Amino acid sequence: DQQVKQNSPSLSVQEGRISILNCDYTNSMFDYFLWYKKYPAEGPTFLISISSIKDKNEDGRFTVFLNKSAKHLSLHIVPSQPGDSAVYFCAANDATSGTYKYIFGTGTRLKVLA
Amino acid sequence: KAGVTQTPRYLIKTRGQQVTLSCSPISGHRSVSWYQQTPGQGLQFLFEYFSETQRNKGNFPGRFSGRQFSNSRSEMNVSTLELGDSALYLCASKGPSYNEQFFGPGTRLTVL
Repeated sequence: DQQVKQNSPSLSVQEGRISILNCDYTNSMFDYFLWYKKYPAEGPTFLISISSIKDKNEDGRFTVFLNKSAKHLSLHIVPSQPGDSAVYFCAANDATSGTYKYIFGTGTRLKVLA
Repeated sequence: KAGVTQTPRYLIKTRGQQVTLSCSPISGHRSVSWYQQTPGQGLQFLFEYFSETQRNKGNFPGRFSGRQFSNSRSEMNVSTLELGDSALYLCASKGPSYNEQFFGPGTRLTVL
């Protein structure tokens, strides 16, 4: 049972435009969400996170939106740059459990076209 | 601070063999987690160790095991390797002040 889903395996966006990556989850106990970026032959790199007490978090060109009622989060990248081309994973955790069992989605490959 | 390191980076084994992978977390991080990444499956959680104790376990068979030492370094062992165990194995560490994990570069295991 995939508790965290990224239904778009790939996405192509023109340089300078907005990239929107989506993620859905099923477990209502999840209360902390993260986005990671992964380049080939490297480990994932943390990008941005959001707690369930918020509905938006911004960090430079990256903004994460959380819609708890829809169990949906999205990552917006504005403006998109060729260096953003990578695989993006969303992850979720039940932080109140006191442990750190992060559940990851299957990833979305973003290609930013110059 | 040095990042998470994993050794070896690449490994080729044959079916039936066993393998041990090593992970050194960021200094001061006591939580170490292991993930398996295969195409189309994303990152599958294997287990998490904290202060030498396994705190969480994913849905993997008993052939997958791990341990953590007093210096927080961790090892993962896979016994009786199967072709389907071919994957990128990632280790991540977490410190007390963050909710995010920091990943190592991974060990690419190929089972022939």
